[in-house]
Amino acid sequence: NAGVTQTPKFQVLKTGQSMTLQCAQDMNHEYMSWYRQDPGMGLRLIHYSVGAGITDQGEVPNGYNVSRSTTEDFPLRLLSAAPSQTSVYFCASSPLTSPGPFTDVAYEQYFGPGTRLTVT
Amino acid sequence: GENVEQHPSTLSVQEGDSAVIKCTYSDSASNYFPWYKQELGKRPQLIIDIRSNVGEKKDQRIAVTLNKTAKHFSLHITETQPEDSAVYFCAALYYGGSQGNLIFGKGTKLSVKP
Repeated sequence: NAGVTQTPKFQVLKTGQSMTLQCAQDMNHEYMSWYRQDPGMGLRLIHYSVGAGITDQGEVPNGYNVSRSTTEDFPLRLLSAAPSQTSVYFCASSPLTSPGPFTDVAYEQYFGPGTRLTVT
Repeated sequence: GENVEQHPSTLSVQEGDSAVIKCTYSDSASNYFPWYKQELGKRPQLIIDIRSNVGEKKDQRIAVTLNKTAKHFSLHITETQPEDSAVYFCAALYYGGSQGNLIFGKGTKLSVKP
C-alpha cells in the first residue's frame, strides 16, 4: 500500500492564482481531512470528509474548497491564493469506528508527506 | 470551541534524561488523546494514544497519563536518545456536532543533546 499520497511536494503561486492540491489514499478509509501547519501554530483542520459526497468545514475553512467524489481522493482547492495561505498542507485519512449509535469517530490519523505552498 | 494548550514550546534535555510534555484541553466530552511525533521535514506520526477509560498507558520508553478531572494529559519519555529529537504534538478528539475531529496543540520542540 502507498498509504496517503500528496502532490505536488512544493508549489509557488502568485497572489490571485488558483490551484488544487491532490490527496489520495489506498486504505479504503472513510475519513479524510486537510490540515495546515504554520510555525508555532500546530496543525489546524481546514476541511474534512466522512465519505464520498460528504464534506464539512474545520477550524480554518475560509479560502479553501473541497470535494469528495470517490473514497480514494480528496482534493483541496485554493480559488484565489493569498500570502496568508503560505503554509505546509497535510492530508490525512482514518478509518471510522462507531463507539455509539450516533457518532462515528476517526481515531489514528495517517498523514501524507505534505505540500509546501508559498504564495508571493 | 475546543482548545488544547501544550507546554513547553521548547524543551532541551541531556541524553539519558527524562522529558515531560503537558497538555490541557477544554471540552470535558473529549475521550481520545493521541500524541504525534514529527521529525524535521517529515509527516506527523502517531506514537501513543490514550482513551478516557484509562489513566496511564506505556509503550517501552514512552508513557502517557490522563487526568480527566483536571482535563490534562502528559507525555513522558524516559532514557531519551538523540533520535527522540523532534516536534511533538498532543491532540484531543473534539465533538463539534455529530463528528469527532482532532484538535492539536501547538507543539513542543524536543532537543536531546548527546
